[in-house]
Amino acid sequence: ETGVTQSPTHLIKTRGQQVTLRCSSQSGHNTVSWYQQALGQGPQFIFQYYREEENGRGNFPPRFSGLQFPNYSSELNVNALELDDSALYLCASSLGFLAGEGTGELFFGEGSRLTVL
Amino acid sequence: GEDVEQSLFLSVREGDSSVINCTYTDSSSTYLYWYKQEPGAGLQLLTYIFSNMDMKQDQRLTVLLNKKDKHLSLRIADTQTGDSAIYFCARGRLYNFNKFYFGSGTKLNVKP
Repeated sequence: ETGVTQSPTHLIKTRGQQVTLRCSSQSGHNTVSWYQQALGQGPQFIFQYYREEENGRGNFPPRFSGLQFPNYSSELNVNALELDDSALYLCASSLGFLAGEGTGELFFGEGSRLTVL
Repeated sequence: GEDVEQSLFLSVREGDSSVINCTYTDSSSTYLYWYKQEPGAGLQLLTYIFSNMDMKQDQRLTVLLNKKDKHLSLRIADTQTGDSAIYFCARGRLYNFNKFYFGSGTKLNVKP
């Protein structure tokens, strides 16, 4: 069983640039969530995709956007990068949330560490 | 972490028991989770408990839930140096989507 994989593992951007982070969900999982973890903090929910549709969003501005593909892999896009966007971005997959689909526990990838200069 | 609170640090000696505590304020949570994060790594699910349970044991791990006080604890028996990591408490509510709220994490240091 393949776990959650993310790419790239590290990247450096400058303010104003755009970034795309990628995630392959665990085999059999149809739901992908993205979290931002600032240094010394717990992860903060960005949004979730369920069967290719955004299915919930946290308190992040519209310049954070995403996609989920038919194979359930996902992308996180951040436009107009700001210094405060520097963080570890975590992707987590799960087996949905509807009755019978699972108990919702999240399985995380290793993360993509973004530094904005 | 939106109403999930944890103490920041815990230091124990190898072989002792560790108890990591967490409090939350939203009583509508359905599931409560413990995750472990080692340096430079993602989060690893350790265990979870349903909100209608009081206790769950899984090998060296014991989770206690006091619903009245909204207090969750994780006990690690016979703590080893490999248990040194940051431990996150998270609450989830399976409503329209499973959004998790995480605490800020407790850094566990195990001294040999």
